[in-house]
Amino acid sequence: SQQGEEDPQALSIQEGENATMNCSYKTSINNLQWYRQNSGRGLVHLILIRSNEREKHSGRLRVTLDTSKKSSSLLITASRAADTASYFCATADSWGKLQFGAGTQVVVTP
Amino acid sequence: GAVVSQHPSRVICKSGTSVKIECRSLDFQATTMFWYRQFPKQSLMLMATSNEGSKATYEQGVEKDKFLINHASLTLSTLTVTSAHPEDSSFYICSARGASGETQYFGPGTRLLVL
Repeated sequence: SQQGEEDPQALSIQEGENATMNCSYKTSINNLQWYRQNSGRGLVHLILIRSNEREKHSGRLRVTLDTSKKSSSLLITASRAADTASYFCATADSWGKLQFGAGTQVVVTP
Repeated sequence: GAVVSQHPSRVICKSGTSVKIECRSLDFQATTMFWYRQFPKQSLMLMATSNEGSKATYEQGVEKDKFLINHASLTLSTLTVTSAHPEDSSFYICSARGASGETQYFGPGTRLLVL
């Protein structure tokens, strides 16, 4: 079963703009991970944030985690056309099993 | 990063036949491999978890006799869809994780079409 919701379901922006997407979950977690999927392809791991961390950066990506609200956000700064993809959050339990959110489809137009 | 391959990338088969999908970790030893399926425009749903040398653990609602999983070595897991039917048509994705890792590395997926 899916862990939670992602918001928005779809996002259309222009190159150079920032893209923000949110993820909510229901159960306690060990860590939360964000992945990118290009159409018809496998998933690419973007960033992992542990339950005792609040914010993490990786290049143009910034992830926040609020365990009290059971939510996370992914910010992509200065977006590029190549960032066009579906983005999924996934929560990991203590066994490492992942439960994925519904995903956000991001389209970046030149 | 670690590389995981899947074979075949795409398969079309007739209803009633069985299809085997391979998942290989190319540059690390995967103590645990996971199998997911993804329907169009939907998220990934975990089907089963397999640990090398032991039986797979299936998620609720997934038929273990229909989706046979074998994880015979630290670099190879196979998923066999037995007696496939059109409703089994989907995108099957595997992932692999090392003994000390938190990150799952995903394969490129296998698109199965059952006619």
